Amino acid sequence: QVQLQESGPGLVKPSETLSLTCTVSGGAISSSSWSWIRQPPGKGLEWIGYLYYTGVTNYNPSLNSRVTISLDTSKNQFSLKLNSVTAADTAVYFCARRASSFWYFDLWGRGTLVTVSS
Amino acid sequence: DIVMTQSPDSLAVSLGERATINCKSSQSLLYSPSNMNYLAWYQQKPGQPPKLLIYRASTRESGVPERFSGSGSGTDFTLTISSLQAEDVAVYYCQQYDGTPPYTFGQGTKVEIK
Repeated sequence: QVQLQESGPGLVKPSETLSLTCTVSGGAISSSSWSWIRQPPGKGLEWIGYLYYTGVTNYNPSLNSRVTISLDTSKNQFSLKLNSVTAADTAVYFCARRASSFWYFDLWGRGTLVTVSS
Repeated sequence: DIVMTQSPDSLAVSLGERATINCKSSQSLLYSPSNMNYLAWYQQKPGQPPKLLIYRASTRESGVPERFSGSGSGTDFTLTISSLQAEDVAVYYCQQYDGTPPYTFGQGTKVEIK
């Protein structure tokens, strides 16, 4: 059974880079495609970007210039980097699996809270 | 970007009664060649990630109870819980996955017990 687990620092200083990793267990990362999604405390969901198993990426234009999603097949992981963070980037960050051939999400990690504060 | 608007923002329903959540998209989610609507519904309980309930507007994900159903086409969609159970207390989100990103979610509807 495939599982996703996010990991990374829970606290990031303003203007620095947020870095998170999603570890895929119970299955090969190359068997599917993946996304990062975030949720500010008490608010709704925002899609950040996707990563095909081929390495092709696409990002939300609202974050495009600050975000990078990358793949590490040797570790069965994919990563998120968001630079120049502000308090508005404080959120629970989820990694999620694309379902079938469409970009809805049938498997999610439990999420990790990242707080941007000095 | 496609804007997804849910209504109401919250609702309180008695146990065993019907709960209805609406979701409206700013443009059609119907892909005519396949007659598929690119709309999904999720349930999120406190401290948990969202759980997929419905995709293609009306197809239940495996393991989802039959009391959950989705309907609608084009720009107007509905999630119905036919007989509310205590474990259905949650926030529900719709999401469009029409071809071109960004993929967007509704603002959420909180369902509580009356």
